[in-house]
Amino acid sequence: ETGVTQSPTHLIKTRGQQVTLRCSSQSGHNTVSWYQQALGQGPQFIFQYYREEENGRGNFPPRFSGLQFPNYSSELNVNALELDDSALYLCASSSDYYYGGGELFFGEGSRLTVL
Amino acid sequence: GESVGLHLPTLSVQEGDNSIINCAYSNSASDYFIWYKQESGKGPQFIIDIRSNMDKRQGQRVTVLLNKTVKHLSLQIAATQPGDSAVYFCAETSGTASKLTFGTGTRLQVTL
Repeated sequence: ETGVTQSPTHLIKTRGQQVTLRCSSQSGHNTVSWYQQALGQGPQFIFQYYREEENGRGNFPPRFSGLQFPNYSSELNVNALELDDSALYLCASSSDYYYGGGELFFGEGSRLTVL
Repeated sequence: GESVGLHLPTLSVQEGDNSIINCAYSNSASDYFIWYKQESGKGPQFIIDIRSNMDKRQGQRVTVLLNKTVKHLSLQIAATQPGDSAVYFCAETSGTASKLTFGTGTRLQVTL
């Protein structure tokens, strides 16, 4: 059973550019959620995808968008990058859209630096 | 590796002592409370969770206590080891989605 894998691990972009981050969920998991973790802070919920549809969103602007594919892997897209978008982006997968206990697993994250 | 938290509250304990990490949560409607451990350069790792209808739950070397009256959560680590050094986050969820609301985190430093 493989865990949650994310790519790329590190990347550098400049302001105004667009970025796509990728996540493969743990085997058997149909729900993927994305979190942004700024340096020195706890992760903040961006959104969640369940069976290819967004079914929950945090306080992030529309330039943060996502996709979930039939194999339950997922992408996070950020347009018009701003300096404050520099953060560790975490993907988490689970076996259902609600938290039922002990089943949300995080990947190692993608570190994005915006210059 | 990268530093997870540069300005977090820090708890220093000696190896072998017990550690207690505290957390205040905000939403009285939360159904689950979870503790995560995050080592430098890594994603959060699940430690233990507790449902809102419980006030104590034990795992291997860890115990979580929940006081709903004062909205307080604590994580007790018995016989703290150097490998326990990390940043610890509490998180809460209403259970209707996998949306977790994380606390600010506490850095645990284990001294020899």
